[in-house]
Amino acid sequence: ETGVTQSPTHLIKTRGQQVTLRCSSQSGHNTVSWYQQALGQGPQFIFQYYREEENGRGNFPPRFSGLQFPNYSSELNVNALELDDSALYLCASSQLTLNTEAFFGQGTRLTVV
Amino acid sequence: KNEVEQSPQNLTAQEGEFITINCSYSVGISALHWLQQHPGGGIVSLFMLSSGKKKHGRLIATINIQEKHSSLHITASHPRDSAVYICAVDGDTDKLIFGTGTRLQVFP
Repeated sequence: ETGVTQSPTHLIKTRGQQVTLRCSSQSGHNTVSWYQQALGQGPQFIFQYYREEENGRGNFPPRFSGLQFPNYSSELNVNALELDDSALYLCASSQLTLNTEAFFGQGTRLTVV
Repeated sequence: KNEVEQSPQNLTAQEGEFITINCSYSVGISALHWLQQHPGGGIVSLFMLSSGKKKHGRLIATINIQEKHSSLHITASHPRDSAVYICAVDGDTDKLIFGTGTRLQVFP
């Protein structure tokens, strides 16, 4: 079992609402990456945070935003939720400068109704 | 065309069979990962490799950098190996690019 935990594990929101997902990183890791995985698809990169700064972003609109805290935990915020935002959201922590293996959390399954 | 392609998409096997899952990629990479995803979503990293071959228990992963191809082998497969196996590559942008996964079912 990895040291990466995500909360909540499941969440149901209404279209138009806002949501915050949380991820704690593995001890010693300074980088957190967020991915969206739609049903039956591989995960898609949303963005990455390294030492509290955004360090790369995928093809997601600005209503997807994030934060990384001094302890390297991270939040993913999604505003104005749309039905298509329903997916499994995964975070992965790694030690960027050492190019180490990424450790994944269990994911947060978000359903937008 | 996806940057990371896996085959087959679905695989059914009898317990004890030798299984191979293939991954081809079209971008330059620093490393390739094999991941296992169980129902419910949690992902476990099986291997990270940048050359040659790695073995862990009944799992073997190989990579051919020149051919941009990797394989994951499972020897003496067991029903508990049933999962989705995902290939992901570390491109030059420090983000992982994922294949769509191979769904494996092993029957007793």
